[in-house]
This record gives sequence, structure tokens and C-alpha cells, in this order.
Amino acid sequence: DAGVTQSPTHLIKTRGQQVTLRCSPKSGHDTVSWYQQALGQGPQFIFQYYEEEERQRGNFPDRFSGHQFPNYSSELNVNALLLGDSALYLCASSFSGDNEQFFGPGTRLTVL
Amino acid sequence: AQSVTQLGSHVSVSEGALVLLRCNYSSSVPPYLFWYVQYPNQGLQLLLKYTSAATLVKGINGFEAEFKKSETSFHLTKPSAHMSDAAEYFCAVSDRGGSQGNLIFGKGTKLSVKP
Repeated sequence: DAGVTQSPTHLIKTRGQQVTLRCSPKSGHDTVSWYQQALGQGPQFIFQYYEEEERQRGNFPDRFSGHQFPNYSSELNVNALLLGDSALYLCASSFSGDNEQFFGPGTRLTVL
Repeated sequence: AQSVTQLGSHVSVSEGALVLLRCNYSSSVPPYLFWYVQYPNQGLQLLLKYTSAATLVKGINGFEAEFKKSETSFHLTKPSAHMSDAAEYFCAVSDRGGSQGNLIFGKGTKLSVKP
């Protein structure tokens, strides 16, 4: 059983560009959450998707947007990249009604 | 609002020694609490969770944690450290049950194990 997968593994962008990160949840899971982990910090919640809609959102600007597809996979989009967006982006999946989130290996985004 | 404080950004122990990683939480509702481990260049792996059942929770790899409401603490322990335990450990609180709750993480504690 494949766990949570994320692509790409690494990504280098320049300021002002846009980026799309992808996540496939663990089999049987229907909820996807995204987190940003800056170097030396704990992960910070960006938003959560369930039934193709954003259900919760953390304290992140509108430059951060997402999408969930009918097969439960999800994308995170970041527009107008800033140097401060450089971080490890983690996707976590869970089953609605359960409190355990399973994390993917993350996408390392570097903004130059 | 919920928050987590992890005391000590770096803890160093000798192999075979007791591991104690401290976590205090703040929550306006009965908390769901979690400990995750992160190895270099990897995602997070759940060690154990507290969801209002037994206050002493046993997890994987010999770790356990005790929920103490009066102290608002959820410290992680392991009786005997192994070299493979060297990693970063994160305590997290969820503000609600089910998968609807988002996780609020502490800043992490890096555990080093000396031979």
C-alpha cells in the first residue's frame, strides 16, 4: 500500500514565479492538509481540503491556493513567490472522522 | 487558541540512557496530542497519540508519553536510547477531534545520541 506521495522532490524557482506542488493521499483517505516547514521550525498549517473544497485555512496569504480532485489528490499553488516561501512543503492525508494524519516526504522549494 | 511549547531545542543523551523530551500545551478544548519524528530529509512519522483515552500512551520504537492535565504536559520518554533514535521530534496539538482538526506543532527538539 503506497503511502502519501508528493512531487516533485525538489524545486528551484526565482522570485515572482509561480509554483505547483502535487500530493496523492494514502489509499482510502479523503482529506488532504498542507503544511509549510521553514528551516529549523515546526510545520505550519496552510489549509485542508475535503470533498474538493477548502475546509480550513491557516494564516497564509491568498498567494497560497489549492485544489482537490475527485480522486482526492491535491495541488498547492503559490503565486508571486517570495524568498521567504523557501521551505519544505508537507502534505498529509487522513480519513474523515479519524484524527491521525499521515505525512508525505515533502517537496523542498528554494526561491532565489 | 491552541499552542505547543517544546522545552529544549536540542537534547543530547548517551546510548542506553533515558530519553525525555518535554512538551507543554495550551488548549481551550480537550486536546488531542501527538508526537511525530522526522529523520533528515524525510516527512513526519507518527510516534504516538493521545485522544482522551488512557493517559499513558505507548507508541512505536519503545516510546511512550503521559498526558498530565494538571500540568498541561505531554512529555515523551524512552527508557534506553538507541543510536537510531537520533532525529527531530515534534509535539503537536489538534484543536478538534476527527480529521477536521489541523495540527499545531511545536518548534521541535533535535535528539542526538552519543555512543
